Amino acid sequence: GAGVSQSPSNKVTEKGKDVELRCDPISGHTALYWYRQRLGQGLEFLIYFQGNSAPDKSGLPSDRFSAERTGESVSTLTIQRTQQEDSAVYLCASSLVGGANVLTFGAGSRLTVL
Amino acid sequence: SQQGEEDPQALSIQEGENATMNCSYKTSINNLQWYRQNSGRGLVHLILIRSNEREKHSGRLRVTLDTSKKSSSLLITASRAADTASYFCATVQAGNNRKLIWGLGTSLAVNP
Repeated sequence: GAGVSQSPSNKVTEKGKDVELRCDPISGHTALYWYRQRLGQGLEFLIYFQGNSAPDKSGLPSDRFSAERTGESVSTLTIQRTQQEDSAVYLCASSLVGGANVLTFGAGSRLTVL
Repeated sequence: SQQGEEDPQALSIQEGENATMNCSYKTSINNLQWYRQNSGRGLVHLILIRSNEREKHSGRLRVTLDTSKKSSSLLITASRAADTASYFCATVQAGNNRKLIWGLGTSLAVNP
C-alpha cells in the first residue's frame, strides 16, 4: 500500500485479556519496527524484523509480549494477559534496508487496559 | 537503552517567531534525522543530515550538525500554529544502520 497501515486504531481491553495488534508495512520495505510510546514519553524500541533474518527482540519488556512477521509482509504484535502498564500507543514503522534508514510510521494503535 | 537528548523539553512561542530545538547524542553516527509527531500518533520524517554534512535546509527548516560536539539543532523559521507538535531527533549509528536511537522529544506550542 501507499503507507504503513495499523489496526485497530484504538483498543480498550480488560486487564488479563490478550490483544493482537496488526501492522501492514509499505510494499518492498524489508525492515519493520515496533515501538511503544507511553503518554508524553519518547519511543521505546520493542522489536525489529529484517527480511528472513532472526528478529531483534531485545526491546520486548516481558515474555507476555511477542511478535511475528510473515516474510516481508504483515506483522502482528501480541500482548498476553494485559496489565494496566501496557496502556500506550504502539507504533509500527517500516524502511528500506541499506539506505539511510528513514522510517515511515503508521498512525499507531492506542491500547487502553482497564 | 542509549538515547539522545533534546532540549528544551517544551517550548512555547508566538506565531511568526523562530523555534530552535537541540539534540545531543553519544556515539559516532551515519546520519541524524528529525521527525515530527502530532497528537501522539505516527511520526513523520522531516529532514535527514549525514555525518559529513554541516547544514541542510528544507523549506522553513534548517538543520545543523556538529559532530565534534555530537549535537544537532533544528530551526523552524516564521513558525505557524500548524507547527505545534512534538519533534524528535533520531540517530543512525555508524556501522549499524538498523536501530535508530531516539531522543525524548521537544514539545513545541506555537500560539496564534
